[in-house]
Amino acid sequence: GNSVTQMEGPVTLSEEAFLTINCTYTATGYPSLFWYVQYPGEGLQLLLKATKADDKGSNKGFEATYRKETTSFHLEKGSVQVSDSAVYFCALSGGGGTSYGKLTFGQGTILTVHP
Amino acid sequence: EAGVAQSPRYKIIEKRQSVAFWCNPISGHATLYWYQQILGQGPKLLIQFQNNGVVDDSQLPKDRFSAERLKGVDSTLKIQPAKLEDSAVYLCASSLIPTYEQYFGPGTRLTVT
Repeated sequence: GNSVTQMEGPVTLSEEAFLTINCTYTATGYPSLFWYVQYPGEGLQLLLKATKADDKGSNKGFEATYRKETTSFHLEKGSVQVSDSAVYFCALSGGGGTSYGKLTFGQGTILTVHP
Repeated sequence: EAGVAQSPRYKIIEKRQSVAFWCNPISGHATLYWYQQILGQGPKLLIQFQNNGVVDDSQLPKDRFSAERLKGVDSTLKIQPAKLEDSAVYLCASSLIPTYEQYFGPGTRLTVT
């Protein structure tokens, strides 16, 4: 079945540092890929998505590129802020053998940014 | 536009008791999902409804969990009897149709003692 693996966490950075959170996936067919963010005390929110190979999703300075050859969807940001402190989840939907809409999540990566 | 509403926000029960959670999706959203998020893990889909029909309940422990979506709007998720390992946050999400963005509610944090 489908699965998502995220880099081990937590990640601690200083403000304005470069961020990379690795995400790789296993799926048949052509899934859609997502990054969700969960800020302290809030619900899950969609951060960005990509629906086909080589697509780049971007939002709030974050970017991720759908790489089918390496089955990866790494999240990057050039300069993080304290307000980016949150838990980040990589997820996929679709692909062969699963119902449309069902999201399969990675285990989440806790990001803490210090001033 | 109002978001996905869930209640209660927190619940503490003893093992072998029963509990029910309620979800009100965004108006007009035909697809509704219940996810279980155990501490330190990503959410896992329990059940997906399309209107009031079940699309996917392959990971729902049907010996103790049940869910319904009457009239294709609100939904309830029930656990009876609860086990210690059911301690988790239960998330409800909705989308206009399955391939559109899912919007998540704030979740219900269940503690089973």
